[in-house]
Amino acid sequence: KAGVTQTPRYLIKTRGQQVTLSCSPISGHRSVSWYQQTPGQGLQFLFEYFSETQRNKGNFPGRFSGRQFSNSRSEMNVSTLELGDSALYLCASSLASGKADTQYFGPGTRLTVL
Amino acid sequence: GNSVTQMEGPVTLSEEAFLTINCTYTATGYPSLFWYVQYPGEGLQLLLKATKADDKGSNKGFEATYRKETTSFHLEKGSVQVSDSAVYFCALRDYGQNFVFGPGTRLSVLP
Repeated sequence: KAGVTQTPRYLIKTRGQQVTLSCSPISGHRSVSWYQQTPGQGLQFLFEYFSETQRNKGNFPGRFSGRQFSNSRSEMNVSTLELGDSALYLCASSLASGKADTQYFGPGTRLTVL
Repeated sequence: GNSVTQMEGPVTLSEEAFLTINCTYTATGYPSLFWYVQYPGEGLQLLLKATKADDKGSNKGFEATYRKETTSFHLEKGSVQVSDSAVYFCALRDYGQNFVFGPGTRLSVLP
């Protein structure tokens, strides 16, 4: 079974631009979560989607948004990019949103904002 | 809210040494507990998990026991290898809530 895939793997943008990242979960998985990983802040939760509905949301400004499609694929969008948005963005999928459901991570998208 | 605390390291060991990475948690309910590992340039991979008190998770020589009385889930391995060099994350998930990760512990194993 194919793992979680994320596209693109690397991205360079300038301040003020917007960006869309894509995540394809493992086949059959209905829950997708997004995380931001930086050396200073570690792994921070952005949001979780389950069956096209946002279930949980982290403490990020409204510039960060996401959505999930009927095939469980998910996108996240960051508008008006800031230098501090440079990070590794990780997507993770799981069968459902239960507390015992393991999350499987993709390789991440490395975003650099200049 | 729920939280996870773990030693941040870096931890440097010689090959075949014994490894312990401490992890303690705060939770209002009865969460599941996880250890993930991240190798350079990759995403996180599940190492092991435990879903209830006194459960022991194990994989690739690593073990951790869910201790409700001490709210801990310490990771151990009897003999580390150079290939175990990575960042290790302790995490929890409670019903209806998102995953909460610790800050990660960087492990370097020297030959």
